[in-house]
Amino acid sequence: GAGVSQSPRYKVAKRGQDVALRCDPISGHVSLFWYQQALGQGPEFLTYFQNEAQLDKSGLPSDRFFAERPEGSVSTLKIQRTQQEDSAVYLCASSQGSDQPQHFGDGTRLSIL
Amino acid sequence: AQRVTQPEKLLSVFKGAPVELKCNYSYSGSPELFWYVQYSRQRLQLLLRHISRESIKGFTADLNKGETSFHLKKPFAQEEDSAMYYCAGETSGSRLTFGEGTQLTVNP
Repeated sequence: GAGVSQSPRYKVAKRGQDVALRCDPISGHVSLFWYQQALGQGPEFLTYFQNEAQLDKSGLPSDRFFAERPEGSVSTLKIQRTQQEDSAVYLCASSQGSDQPQHFGDGTRLSIL
Repeated sequence: AQRVTQPEKLLSVFKGAPVELKCNYSYSGSPELFWYVQYSRQRLQLLLRHISRESIKGFTADLNKGETSFHLKKPFAQEEDSAMYYCAGETSGSRLTFGEGTQLTVNP
């Protein structure tokens, strides 16, 4: 595709449920990033992959958050036992490599009831 | 800790007036700085980066190391410039640190 694709666009879940958010990066992009954007705030870094290797996961807020990119392309962000404070827009970005601009997807808006 | 600050959440100007969106940073080392823009119902997109020293859509931004600032400027604002603007910094490792954003409204 022409850009970073994220699915679903909207996700509503009940507190305590597990959710999985998908990101399809631009073809050939080595680097992939996940950000969390709370209402009225700027995006905050969650985790970073270079190919299939997760090089930085220091931004994940708790061990309920898990991300993977097993084949170095599509990535999934999983949140277990969701809580209301997990409600946010989750943004995925990809780039050709370090020092290259990041291209963002439309995001997944997650609402926890 | 790395930090990017945008002191104005809202900025309103009239068409044709100059506009300046403020950004200050606190970083160890030499960060690379960016401005991202999000138009209504569109995705976040890169506007410009300081290393390129470009002018995009009439916008420029100069890195002032003495004042640790990277303000975004345009001499004559247009209505289509109305959007949310985010300043962001990056150090080794490529993670971006964003400011809270400034919502710019250009009135006719």
